[in-house]
Amino acid sequence: DTGVSQDPRHKITKRGQNVTFRCDPISEHNRLYWYRQTLGQGPEFLTYFQNEAQLEKSRLLSDRFSAERPKGSFSTLEIQRTEQGDSAMYLCASSFRGSKAGELFFGEGSRLTVL
Amino acid sequence: GNSVTQMEGPVTLSEEAFLTINCTYTATGYPSLFWYVQYPGEGLQLLLKATKADDKGSNKGFEATYRKETTSFHLEKGSVQVSDSAVYFCALVGSMNRDDKIIFGKGTRLHILP
Repeated sequence: DTGVSQDPRHKITKRGQNVTFRCDPISEHNRLYWYRQTLGQGPEFLTYFQNEAQLEKSRLLSDRFSAERPKGSFSTLEIQRTEQGDSAMYLCASSFRGSKAGELFFGEGSRLTVL
Repeated sequence: GNSVTQMEGPVTLSEEAFLTINCTYTATGYPSLFWYVQYPGEGLQLLLKATKADDKGSNKGFEATYRKETTSFHLEKGSVQVSDSAVYFCALVGSMNRDDKIIFGKGTRLHILP
């Protein structure tokens, strides 16, 4: 296993367009997280999954954001009607649950630029 | 809710200097605490962790002790190297329910001068 992979690594889009990011976690991991990171800030929690179940979604997240993890494997994060404020690095991470919770393995991120 | 506060950077030190990066937290119960590091051009990676009070996490010469009485988890290294230049993030996961998200601080950028 080569770790957590994210695609695309960079995405430039025009305001109002929809974008989708994909994350492939480490195969043995049952938890998958999405975070957003802007310059000079720490990762901001967006949502996370236990297998295919979405356990929590940030209250700060607008309805334009949706995430799925069909069959508990890869995950997608979709942003509809993008706004300039959505420009950020979108990070995916995976982990085991239980005693290993908190030991996240991060991908290299998908950078979104909204023009 | 749970939160993490860490000292603002950037922190600039000379090689071989002693490093402390402060981190305090707010959480109910007994959270697990972590330090993550992000080297230039790379993704975040776990540096060390501590899961209960008075535990000391250590890795790559870095140490941090879980202090419940002061709700702190300060990162220390006795002699820093240029290769330690990175952004360091303090983080926690709540203990009341292990089905909980990981909360990160804002990060502290560290510059080590040769």
